[in-house]
Amino acid sequence: GQNIDQPTEMTATEGAIVQINCTYQTSGFNGLFWYQQHAGEAPTFLSYNVLDGLEEKGRFSSFLSRSKGYSYLLLKELQMKDSASYLCAVRDGSDSWGKLQFGAGTQVVVTP
Amino acid sequence: DAGVIQSPRHEVTEMGQEVTLRCKPISGHDYLFWYRQTMMRGLELLIYFNNNVPIDDSGMPEDRFSAKMPNASFSTLKIQPSEPRDSAVYFCASNGRDNEQFFGPGTRLTVL
Repeated sequence: GQNIDQPTEMTATEGAIVQINCTYQTSGFNGLFWYQQHAGEAPTFLSYNVLDGLEEKGRFSSFLSRSKGYSYLLLKELQMKDSASYLCAVRDGSDSWGKLQFGAGTQVVVTP
Repeated sequence: DAGVIQSPRHEVTEMGQEVTLRCKPISGHDYLFWYRQTMMRGLELLIYFNNNVPIDDSGMPEDRFSAKMPNASFSTLKIQPSEPRDSAVYFCASNGRDNEQFFGPGTRLTVL
């Protein structure tokens, strides 16, 4: 099975930086994903890491350390529209393209 | 492409009634997933299909739930009989042989 932990809520000011941590314990590993979900909407894909290191995509970056079972999502130059829930998910290694296990999500609140 | 299509978007029914949720994945995607999201339990995978074949249904709560995928462009999730604790948002998602899983808009189910 898999255990995925992330903080419940984080608050930050517009223009600031926020780092959302995710730790996981898995029986298999084939990639770590971050999704963004606005209230009342579907999750949307943000990033994917399968090798150790940092992946940067505009204002968002994601980091992975497989040996530590650890990832973080870094949101820079925060905007009000970034207020959302951020879900960490791990793909089970048994199927290359299949099953994701999601964490409970971190609610990010951006204040003016 | 129109993305993943789900119907209905909202469903209100009474306990004991049969509920059928429908999903049309993105054309060319050979993986289809059914998820359930609640405040208490977060986003849970119920079942997923590869090339119309169910691969893992370990997340299906009980025999009242069943899912089918008769062809590559259509899947159903059925609850019979429905109970108030089944109230949740049900998402369908699909992906091809890459790393981005696309979610449909969800069906908000309320069982009275």
